[in-house]
Amino acid sequence: ETGVTQSPTHLIKTRGQQVTLRCSSQSGHNTVSWYQQALGQGPQFIFQYYREEENGRGNFPPRFSGLQFPNYSSELNVNALELDDSALYLCASSDTGFAGYTFGSGTRLTVV
Amino acid sequence: AQSVTQLDSQVPVFEEAPVELRCNYSSSVSVYLFWYVQYPNQGLQLLLKYLSGSTLVKGINGFEAEFNKSQTSFHLRKPSVHISDTAEYFCAPRGTGNTPLVFGKGTRLSVIA
Repeated sequence: ETGVTQSPTHLIKTRGQQVTLRCSSQSGHNTVSWYQQALGQGPQFIFQYYREEENGRGNFPPRFSGLQFPNYSSELNVNALELDDSALYLCASSDTGFAGYTFGSGTRLTVV
Repeated sequence: AQSVTQLDSQVPVFEEAPVELRCNYSSSVSVYLFWYVQYPNQGLQLLLKYLSGSTLVKGINGFEAEFNKSQTSFHLRKPSVHISDTAEYFCAPRGTGNTPLVFGKGTRLSVIA
């Protein structure tokens, strides 16, 4: 059973640029969620996808967008990067039961 | 909406001593409860979960937690900690359906030799 894989592991971008982060879900999972974890804070919910449709969104602006593909992998896109976007971005997948979310190791994004 | 409070931001404890990390949640509906651990520069690993049934839940690495509905608490305990337990611990409730996990601010457990 494969876990959740995120790429890249680290990324440095300049303010105003755009970034795409990628996530491969655990086998058999059809729901993927993205979280932002600022330094010293708990993860904050960005949005969730179920069978390629967004079905939940946290308090993040529209420049944070996502996609889920037929194989249940996912992308997080952030436009017009700001310094405060610097954080660890975590992807988590789950099935339709309540077994819990499986998290990837995250992508550390630094905006300079 | 769910909210969660982790009552201690930092907990120092000597090796082989017991520890309790406290978590209170607010909810007026059915809830599922999770504890995750995060080691430095890593993602989150599931320690244990409460879905239904017995209120005492046992997890990995010798951790356990007790669901107390009347006090809306889900405290995490371990009878004897090891140096390797040093990490950040997050309590996370979620509601039914496709509601997401809601994370607390975390408790940093530091085990002292």
